[in-house]
Amino acid sequence: SSELTQDPTVSVALGQTVRITCQGDNLRSYHASWYQQRPGQAPVLVVFGRNDRPSGIPDRFSGSTSGDTAALTISGAQADDEADYYCSSRNRIGDHFVFGAGTRVTVL
Amino acid sequence: VQLEESGPGLVKPSETLSLTCSVSGAFISSYFWSWVRQPPGKGLEWIGYISDSGDTVYNPSLKSRVTILVEKATNQFSLELRSVTSADTAVYYCASTIVGATVEYFEHWGQGTLVAAPS
Repeated sequence: SSELTQDPTVSVALGQTVRITCQGDNLRSYHASWYQQRPGQAPVLVVFGRNDRPSGIPDRFSGSTSGDTAALTISGAQADDEADYYCSSRNRIGDHFVFGAGTRVTVL
Repeated sequence: VQLEESGPGLVKPSETLSLTCSVSGAFISSYFWSWVRQPPGKGLEWIGYISDSGDTVYNPSLKSRVTILVEKATNQFSLELRSVTSADTAVYYCASTIVGATVEYFEHWGQGTLVAAPS
């Protein structure tokens, strides 16, 4: 099992807000990064650091952390946001990287 | 920055998987570089990275079988995974990697290449 725990699935109505969480002890020391992966495509970085986005990522994607839980929020979800989302950070002792198992987001 | 994986799509069990990642738009010495894999229908697994100075860190679960090298002359880096089994069947991605004190992420990704190791 992963050291980063994500809910397997979440659904959101078109235009509404969804929060995807990632829980792990290591998140008290390291920021999570978040990746969107559409079917058949490579992952794409959407949020990193405290709450930064690469150029080209819409501002409806935002990140936050509280204690041992990081969250990716999609505000005003679009049909195009339907994808798998993975968080990543360091393992518990900080000597290598790990990914969460992923959350599949369905836009209704 | 663009990355492109290349290598055989089929490897026999017990043999060695060898992949190359070609980097354009950045000097290989400017970043850390990672390999990440994804078995069919499953999640992402980090394999390891090589630093801008050539130091390597590997996933403990694969460490005994993995080597990552950089070839500065060709702006490429490579992955070698020895003694493969069917469990190593996956899409393999290369990615540029930012490694810092608390902020770390995989910034640019290749399109991935499927490597099958049928039993």
